[in-house]
Amino acid sequence: GAGVSQTPSNKVTEKGKYVELRCDPISGHTALYWYRQSLGQGPEFLIYFQGTGAADDSGLPNDRFFAVRPEGSVSTLKIQRTERGDSAVYLCASSSKLAGSYNEQFFGPGTRLTVL
Amino acid sequence: QKEVEQDPGPLSVPEGAIVSLNCTYSNSAFQYFMWYRQYSRKGPELLMYTYSSGNKEDGRFTAQVDKSSKYISLFIRDSQPSDSATYLCAGKTSGSRLTFGEGTQLTVNP
Repeated sequence: GAGVSQTPSNKVTEKGKYVELRCDPISGHTALYWYRQSLGQGPEFLIYFQGTGAADDSGLPNDRFFAVRPEGSVSTLKIQRTERGDSAVYLCASSSKLAGSYNEQFFGPGTRLTVL
Repeated sequence: QKEVEQDPGPLSVPEGAIVSLNCTYSNSAFQYFMWYRQYSRKGPELLMYTYSSGNKEDGRFTAQVDKSSKYISLFIRDSQPSDSATYLCAGKTSGSRLTFGEGTQLTVNP
């Protein structure tokens, strides 16, 4: 079946602009996660959704970052007033107890964000 | 101090070698431990996960966890050039988030 998909695969923007990154989880997966991976580093947790609600947003670095999942499926990560330090690969993952356990998080290919 | 420490490498081995990849962690609340493989410009792919201490084997891969020393290992037997990738270890409490190490870059030379 289809895995986690993310669009766009690459996004180049200018400092100060607003960007939206989209994630389509595996069908039926109720849990969705966003991580950020800087060059040469492991992914860092940003936010976790269970259904439509953000169950844990403690990883969001500041109030310029916001994420939604209005219908419990697709999620959008929104970044306002982008800064050069926001440049990274943004990864989305999903999981479901039906797929085995919530411990198995399946990752998408990521969106590579470059802020000039 | 990072919660999960991992030697970034790079590690280069000949084809057929046994590879040992290791992590240490500091969060005693971690109950689950994962190994992910990440090819260049791809998302991480889950290889194995274990609960608490012990060993788990899957084909050429063996994961070990020693909670007393807070040490996580992944062994790859009969390594292949297709195993060349970055290997990420991660710990997880009963909550949702994974906490990753920085990854070890492995190259298996034919």
